[in-house]
Formats: sequence, structure tokens, C-alpha cells
Amino acid sequence: DQQVKQNSPSLSVQEGRISILNCDYTNSMFDYFLWYKKYPAEGPTFLISISSIKDKNEDGRFTVFLNKSAKHLSLHIVPSQPGDSAVYFCAASAVRNKLIFGTGTRLQVFP
Amino acid sequence: SQTIHQWPATLVQPVGSPLSLECTVEGTSNPNLYWYRQAAGRGLQLLFYSVGIGQISSEVPQNLSASRPQDRQFILSSKKLLLSDSGFYLCACRQGRFGLAGTQETQYFGPGTRLLVL
Repeated sequence: DQQVKQNSPSLSVQEGRISILNCDYTNSMFDYFLWYKKYPAEGPTFLISISSIKDKNEDGRFTVFLNKSAKHLSLHIVPSQPGDSAVYFCAASAVRNKLIFGTGTRLQVFP
Repeated sequence: SQTIHQWPATLVQPVGSPLSLECTVEGTSNPNLYWYRQAAGRGLQLLFYSVGIGQISSEVPQNLSASRPQDRQFILSSKKLLLSDSGFYLCACRQGRFGLAGTQETQYFGPGTRLLVL
């Protein structure tokens, strides 16, 4: 049972444009959501998070939106840069001590 | 901020051989520690987590075990490796007994160990 789903395995975006990565979840008890970025052969790097009491959180070029009624969150990257090319994981927490990860979306930003 | 070390970075082992992967953390005390595995083309699977010395929770039945002999040391082991144990193993840390206000369950990851079982 995949509680956190990233249905797009890959996304290709031109440099300078917006990248939108999507994540859906099934567990209504999730109250904290995170996005991680991962380069090959490296550990994931924490990007941004959002609590369920908010619907938007912004940090520089990265904005996370949360739609609780739709059980959907998204990560917007504006403007996209070639260095943003990586695999992005969303994760969610409902129980202390645990994160549930999605399967990841590979973002490629081309010139 | 915490720093997470993992070694070795890469390991090639024959089927049936033992395994020991080590994770150590600097810059924090009483961390929660986690072992994840990323199989090829898949997401991150939580294997074990620990909230303190000697306290291990196992998430999935498997060929692996974990131990926490010291506050900032977490070890992943196997007595006999299987082909299916191949993957990228990640250690993660959550600061303190509970995250700082607003950070809640944010976990930070080490650089990982790539294990290939032949």
C-alpha cells in the first residue's frame, strides 16, 4: 500500500521555466510534508517542508503547496536551473519517528 | 548542525558473506537514527530506526539487523548476504528527542553506501 505517490517518474523542463513536481497521499493523518532532492550516489538533501496547518511555504526559488482536501502537494521551482536536475522525493509524517517516502520524480532541466 | 558519516562508500560482497555498515553522527546528541535502502529505480524504504542506545525498531522482515552501541553510532549488519540485499543504503538522523519547533520530523541523510552482492 503506497501511502505517498509520485505518479510522474520523470519531468523535463527548459532552463528558466517553472518546474512543478506533484505528490499525492492517501493517509489523512499525515501532518507534516517534506521535499528532498537527490543526486546519483549521494544521500537526499532536505529542501523544504510544510505543516498541515499551512497551505503554502516558500524558500527562495522553491515553494511547496498543500491541498489537504485533495490530499495533494506540489513543489514549484522558479526559475529552473540546470543544477536542479536530480531526483525529487516527497515524504510525509503521521507518526512520530517515521517518514513515508514517495518513489521519486527525476527532473531534468535543459538549456 | 549535524554531520552524518557512512562507510564504506562502496562495497562489493559475495553472496553468503557477512556485512557491517557503519553510521556515525556529529553535532547533535540523543538523535533518532534511521537506516533506509534505495533499490534500483525505487523509493526509500525504511529498514530500521532507533530512538536511543540499544533501542531498535525493525520495519520490514528481512535478512538484516541493526544495532546502536553508542548514542551517535548506528550499525547495519547481516550474517549472510543475499543477492536481493544489493542497493544503496542510507543512514539518516533526526535531531534530539523531538525536532525543533517547526522542523518536526525533518531527517537529514548521510552520503550513503552502495552495496553490490554478487
